[in-house]
Formats: sequence, C-alpha cells, structure tokens
Amino acid sequence: AQSVTQLDSQVPVFEEAPVELRCNYSSSVSVYLFWYVQYPNQGLQLLLKYLSGSTLVKGINGFEAEFNKSQTSFHLRKPSVHISDTAEYFCAVRSSGTSYDKVIFGPGTSLSVIP
Amino acid sequence: GAVVSQHPSWVICKSGTSVKIECRSLDFQATTMFWYRQFPKQSLMLMATSNEGSKATYEQGVEKDKFLINHASLTLSTLTVTSAHPEDSSFYICSARDHGTDYEQYFGPGTRLTVT
Repeated sequence: AQSVTQLDSQVPVFEEAPVELRCNYSSSVSVYLFWYVQYPNQGLQLLLKYLSGSTLVKGINGFEAEFNKSQTSFHLRKPSVHISDTAEYFCAVRSSGTSYDKVIFGPGTSLSVIP
Repeated sequence: GAVVSQHPSWVICKSGTSVKIECRSLDFQATTMFWYRQFPKQSLMLMATSNEGSKATYEQGVEKDKFLINHASLTLSTLTVTSAHPEDSSFYICSARDHGTDYEQYFGPGTRLTVT
C-alpha cells in the first residue's frame, strides 16, 4: 500500500517570492506521482506528473517538481508566485503496476500568497 | 484535454431522501471511474472504484448500501446517496481514467451536497 505525507498544512509566502511545497511518499513498488491544485469549490486540476525518465518534471503555471527516489520525495517548486496561486495543493501517488490501482492523496497544503 | 462533467454541481435535499449524482466523461471512454468525498479543509478520500459493467469496489468503512454506484457505460457513472442524513453533506468528486492511457485520471468539478 502507498501513503503520502505533506508536512506543511499551510504555507504563507509573499508575492513574487519562491515557494516549495513538500511531499514524501511510501511505497514498496514503483509509483507514479502527481501534484494537483484545487481552487475553492472546484475540482482538481493536474499541475504535473512523474511517470518515468527525467526526475525533474515541469508542469503548468510555472511549477516544477523533482522526484528523488532515495528520499522518496516529490517536492513542488515555483520560483516566483502570484496571487492567483493561492489554492490547495495535493500530492498524490499510485502504483505503476496496473491500470486499476487507485490514486492516494496527501492531506494537502494550503498556499496563501500575500500581496 | 479530456473533460469530466458532474451533474448537479450542487444540491440541497431533505433528510431521508435519496440523491443521484452523475459523472460523465465527455470526450473519452472511461473503463474505470472513481468516487471521492471531501470534507471542508480536508483531502480527498476515495469511496469506491467502479469498472464498467461490473460491481463497484468500496473502500473500507464505506457503506455500499448507502452509496450506490452504477457504471453502466464507458462514459457514465452514477452515485446515489440513499436515505441521506446531514452527516452525508460533503463535496463529492468523481474522476475517470482514460481507457487509452492507464495513468491519466481526470477529475470532475465536484458536487456539493447539503442535507437539511
């Protein structure tokens, strides 16, 4: 079974400052990793995903994440945040073994961008 | 990109009544659909996984007789909350896995259920 930890429940950051949202996972098998963003009262939007290959993954809205297998981490970064980045961010994992495996979500990190 | 719709987007019902929520994949076929429940300020909790033409697989602690899931076609799954109670009030989100790719999962916009 897989699990996901997001150590920071809330992250306040000033506009145009860099941000890193941390994600660690545990799994006994190979995994796919995802970051999703959720705006208030809306569904989830995929920011980026790691399936295989290069450990640095670039996504939408200027976000990127780096897969570190030895540290079982998949931290999300953005060099300069905007007010519009204020939202809830979820890290997620699923095993890569079968198409029927479910996605497990972390508890989420609330990013607040301060003007 | 692939689009998943949910209907209704929000619903208010009286305690004891049943509510049906639809989840549709609009431009792709989804052999597998998932139903999640999200309480305020919390993460998504998987309720059940449904595969087209077969019975849904429910997560531990989810009452299958209360949350009826039907996945009758490759583009439609429904969640029926039977005999709803105020504690069933929540945000319900469905997602669909593209038949052509085994890793991409697309999420619907969610349905806000309020039981009075």
